[in-house]
Amino acid sequence: QKEVEQNSGPLSVPEGAIASLNCTYSDRGSQSFFWYRQYSGKSPELIMSIYSNGDKEDGRFTAQLNKASQYVSLLIRDSQPSDSATYLCAVNRGDSSYKLIFGSGTRLLVRP
Amino acid sequence: SAVISQKPSRDICQRGTSLTIQCQVDSQVTMMFWYRQQPGQSLTLIATANQGSEATYESGFVIDKFPISRPNLTFSTLTVSNMSPEDSSIYLCSVGRGQSSNGYTFGSGTRLTVV
Repeated sequence: QKEVEQNSGPLSVPEGAIASLNCTYSDRGSQSFFWYRQYSGKSPELIMSIYSNGDKEDGRFTAQLNKASQYVSLLIRDSQPSDSATYLCAVNRGDSSYKLIFGSGTRLLVRP
Repeated sequence: SAVISQKPSRDICQRGTSLTIQCQVDSQVTMMFWYRQQPGQSLTLIATANQGSEATYESGFVIDKFPISRPNLTFSTLTVSNMSPEDSSIYLCSVGRGQSSNGYTFGSGTRLTVV
């Protein structure tokens, strides 16, 4: 079992729709969870962080965390073609390490 | 967030040679990491660059192959030694302040091709 798992996609949604990206993790001791966006040929960019169970909203983005189910998700409302990118889920190691473990990423395509 | 300058942005190298990648940050940072991203894959942590002491390497990565320096809190280098085509990848430095809960910022990356 991978430490952080994501569906590789591509996930294709029409412009204006809600895109839902999912991530599961194996280390129950993990406390910090992040979503990064990576455009082709570019480095990852942090877009959301979440530490507590529940939802966290920032503009069109909502991160959801369920530690009991070891599940993190990212919702993108009113998806735009410019949101087309690979979204990486990252989780810190539960041994109080500062290290982040990344999932393989989900490629999102927003159709105009 | 910190501004990171990473050099070179890309290089094509002959097998058996070495390349040193530089990471310069505009402010002092406590945590600095080096990652590798192979084509079509996610990020794999190579090592944590420790200021004033030897780097801490992840499983599968060794100092002889990937020597790292960190002379101060704003600068680090990663050397890819005795390169083979399998080392062709994007190498990224990443920095953070304080706890990992603040998330990390990435440099622009170095795209390395070994021929």
